[in-house]
Amino acid sequence: DIQMTQSPSSLSASVGDRVTITCRASQDVHNFLNWYQQKPGEAPKLLIYDASSVAEGVPSRFSGSGSGTDFTLIISALQPDDFATYYCQHYEDLPRTFGQGTMVDVK
Amino acid sequence: EVQLVESGGGLNQPGGSLRLSCAASGFTFRTYAMSWVRQAPGKGLEWVAGITGSTGGTFYGDSVEGRFTISRDNSRNMVYLQMNSLRAEDTAIYYCAKDLRGITLGTFDNWGQGTPVIVSS
Repeated sequence: DIQMTQSPSSLSASVGDRVTITCRASQDVHNFLNWYQQKPGEAPKLLIYDASSVAEGVPSRFSGSGSGTDFTLIISALQPDDFATYYCQHYEDLPRTFGQGTMVDVK
Repeated sequence: EVQLVESGGGLNQPGGSLRLSCAASGFTFRTYAMSWVRQAPGKGLEWVAGITGSTGGTFYGDSVEGRFTISRDNSRNMVYLQMNSLRAEDTAIYYCAKDLRGITLGTFDNWGQGTPVIVSS
């Protein structure tokens, strides 16, 4: 199975901060990489697909980059609604696997 | 508007069986792959099973292979997860998720609110 490792596991930030979350795959997943946001008590929400395509309705402050084994999610200017947990997930092979999550909380 | 509504969760004993259902609306159901994704209490996300749109090919995560069966009824816009030989570690919220695409499952662009499954004696 392909292992997905996110860093950091948690971070504290303030509104307006630029936030960077990284995701590393244990083998090449090409650009078959998605990012999700999940708030407590809610279902996950697709943010970025195919490593860099922004999902419908997602604000432009979210962006994704990378290919192969190393990927990045950037929030250009953190907003109050962005405090949440973020997951990466590949779909290069079976089974599809997620990273362990990165919790973004208030500094 | 896409809607996914799960049902069928509840308390079950180890070794028992349960069938989850997901009612889909707001899109051409038969065209899209569907999956079940679960989240154990306080833990991360785990893809459980998926089924493609038109061909109905099925795929499973390692921890449920041979115990769980995913199926779909395109005439009723329903997807199901038959869960057998339940274990304590199957305790989780189970989400039904629609795929962005029909054949290549693995990009979940719409999710239900989830149904809880508790396996305990």
